[in-house]
Amino acid sequence: EAGVTQFPSHSVIEKGQTVTLRCDPISGHDNLYWYRRVMGKEIKFLLHFVKESKQDESGMPNNRFLAERTGGTYSTLKVQPAELEDSGVYFCASSTSVAYEQYFGPGTRLTVT
Amino acid sequence: KQEVTQIPAALSVPEGENLVLNCSFTDSAIYNLQWFRQDPGKGLTSLLLIQSSQREQTSGRLNASLDKSSGRSTLYIAASQPGDSATYLCAVDDYKLSFGAGTTVTVRA
Repeated sequence: EAGVTQFPSHSVIEKGQTVTLRCDPISGHDNLYWYRRVMGKEIKFLLHFVKESKQDESGMPNNRFLAERTGGTYSTLKVQPAELEDSGVYFCASSTSVAYEQYFGPGTRLTVT
Repeated sequence: KQEVTQIPAALSVPEGENLVLNCSFTDSAIYNLQWFRQDPGKGLTSLLLIQSSQREQTSGRLNASLDKSSGRSTLYIAASQPGDSATYLCAVDDYKLSFGAGTTVTVRA
């Protein structure tokens, strides 16, 4: 069974540009989560999808971040326009609707210069 | 707001010694607690999940305990090996994971 995959693994963009991160959860997992770790800080929750619906987006830092989950499958996280403080590692995780264990992807390292 | 603290921040031990990693959290209204391992430049690997109704969970050389009332969990790794060198993260789940800063473990051969 394939794990959670994320693309790209690393992205370097200039301040003011747009970047889109993609996450493919484990097949059959209804729950999809986005987290991020900025330099020197703990991993923080961003948002949670149940199928295609946003269940909780309380961790989204501001309206420059937009997350979507098409048809309850893969998800994208768009940052527009990117700022320097958006640099960090963005993780995606998924879980089933009956079990609590979250499985994480390898992360996308975003560098904004 | 849930606060998760992990002590110590770093630990270096000789091979064969047992490891004890501590995690504390401020809000005991949690659904479960999950321990992860992270290798440099890699993602998070789930090690153990303890549901709120459980007191402990074991997998091979790993054993994790949970005392919800006091807001504590401990991860024990028996007979450590150099391959156990990594950062270990504790995360509490109250519908979303709140992470500690991690304990970086080095096992010397």
